[in-house]
Amino acid sequence: EVQLLESGGGLVQPGGSLRLSCAASGFTFNLYAMGWVRQAPGKGPEWASVISGDGGDTYYADSVKGRFAISRDNSKNTVYLQMNSLRAEDTAVYYCAKDPYGYRGYFDYWGQGTLVTVSS
Amino acid sequence: QSALTQPRSVSGSPGQSVTISCTGTSSDVGGYNHVSWYQQHPGKAPKLMIYDVNKRPSGVPDRFSGSKSGNTGSLTISGLQAEDEADYYCSSYGGSYTPYVFGTGTKVTVL
Repeated sequence: EVQLLESGGGLVQPGGSLRLSCAASGFTFNLYAMGWVRQAPGKGPEWASVISGDGGDTYYADSVKGRFAISRDNSKNTVYLQMNSLRAEDTAVYYCAKDPYGYRGYFDYWGQGTLVTVSS
Repeated sequence: QSALTQPRSVSGSPGQSVTISCTGTSSDVGGYNHVSWYQQHPGKAPKLMIYDVNKRPSGVPDRFSGSKSGNTGSLTISGLQAEDEADYYCSSYGGSYTPYVFGTGTKVTVL
């Protein structure tokens, strides 16, 4: 059974940093791209970042480019999202998700999400 | 890249059919056969219901079907059931720099 478990969310001040983690199990982790998708309160999902199975390719939405960094440790079956220079508009539930075919516009499994609140 | 456009809400009685539209551009929905649909209940993560326009993941009832015409994708729920009441989001491949574009969301109400 595929399981994705996010952690690391919380309350942070504007301009601060936070590192999210997502522990994966139930599939061969290094074969699949992994992404982060966020969802602000009452809004639709917004793709933030994705990383290839071997970690060699990364992509970012314009809204987070230059501030967020995605990485993965295939020995620990974990993907990370380092978030710097956080803004109020980054407040959202952040989901980790598995891409089954490699950048075809969808994710087949999602974690339960971790809430990030940016506020003073 | 802008979010894909969906109607804010649709409703139907149990047993009826409802269809949700998802309008994009030739750079996303119209350019690729990679439209997908998610169901999201309150407080839960999105669940993949349709991918690649009309394919269903294992375990998704065949009451859910997808199609596409030009720049608009559609999700049809036939034989509406109470448990189908949820928010539905479409998404599409949007090119190599924006591989995932999501829709604005549609609330489905079962009357």
